[in-house]
Amino acid sequence: EPEVTQTPSHQVTQMGQEVILRCVPISNHLYFYWYRQILGQKVEFLVSFYNNEISEKSEIFDDQFSVERPDGSNFTLKIRSTKLEDSAMYFCASTPSGNTIYFGEGSWLTVV
Amino acid sequence: RKEVEQDPGPFNVPEGATVAFNCTYSNSASQSFFWYRQDCRKEPKLLMSVYSSGNEDGRFTAQLNRASQYISLLIRDSKLSDSATYLCVVNKITGTASKLTFGTGTRLQVTL
Repeated sequence: EPEVTQTPSHQVTQMGQEVILRCVPISNHLYFYWYRQILGQKVEFLVSFYNNEISEKSEIFDDQFSVERPDGSNFTLKIRSTKLEDSAMYFCASTPSGNTIYFGEGSWLTVV
Repeated sequence: RKEVEQDPGPFNVPEGATVAFNCTYSNSASQSFFWYRQDCRKEPKLLMSVYSSGNEDGRFTAQLNRASQYISLLIRDSKLSDSATYLCVVNKITGTASKLTFGTGTRLQVTL
C-alpha cells in the first residue's frame, strides 16, 4: 500500500539552527500538508500546499517556516531559526482530492 | 468554544464492552468528518469517515448530526488492541484548501 514517507524520523538540533524536514507524499496525490503535535497536545494544522503554492497557513506558520516542493516528489518544511517551543512531532500528509488525508509516520524534532 | 471538543477520558473498559465517544464541533461550514485513531507517539490513522446516515465498519459505528454539530463513535466488543486515542476530526474545504481540525482526542484503555 502506498504511503507517505518522512525523514528524518528523529532530529535533535540546537536552538537557532535551521532544520529541514523532508516528505515524499503518495505519488498521485495533489494536496500536501504539514501538521505538528507538541507532546501531550492535539494535532495542529500548519500549512496546506497545492499546485506548487501555499493554499492556507495557520497562525503558527510564521516567517520562520517555509515549504517547498523542490522536485516532483519531495515536499519539505524548513524552520529557519529553531526555538525550544518548536520541539514537536511534525507530520506530513497528502490526499488526492482534499478529502481523506493520509499521514506519514512523523519527524520528531527536539530543540535543545 | 473550541473548534472540536472531545472528552479526553481516559475511558477504561473491560474487553468485550461497548464504549461510545462523542464530539462536538463549532464551525457549521465544516464539510466532512472523520474518526482517526492515534497510538502513542505514532501518526494519526484514518479509522472511518462519518456520514449523516450513519455508517458501520465491523465493530465500529459512526454517526453525524449536522443540526446539533455532534459526532459519535461506538465501539462494540472492545478488544485489547482497540486501546488508543480516538481523534475526532472535521474538514473544511475552501477552493483548493482543505484543512483538518483535530480534537484533543479521547483515550481508550481496554483491559482484561
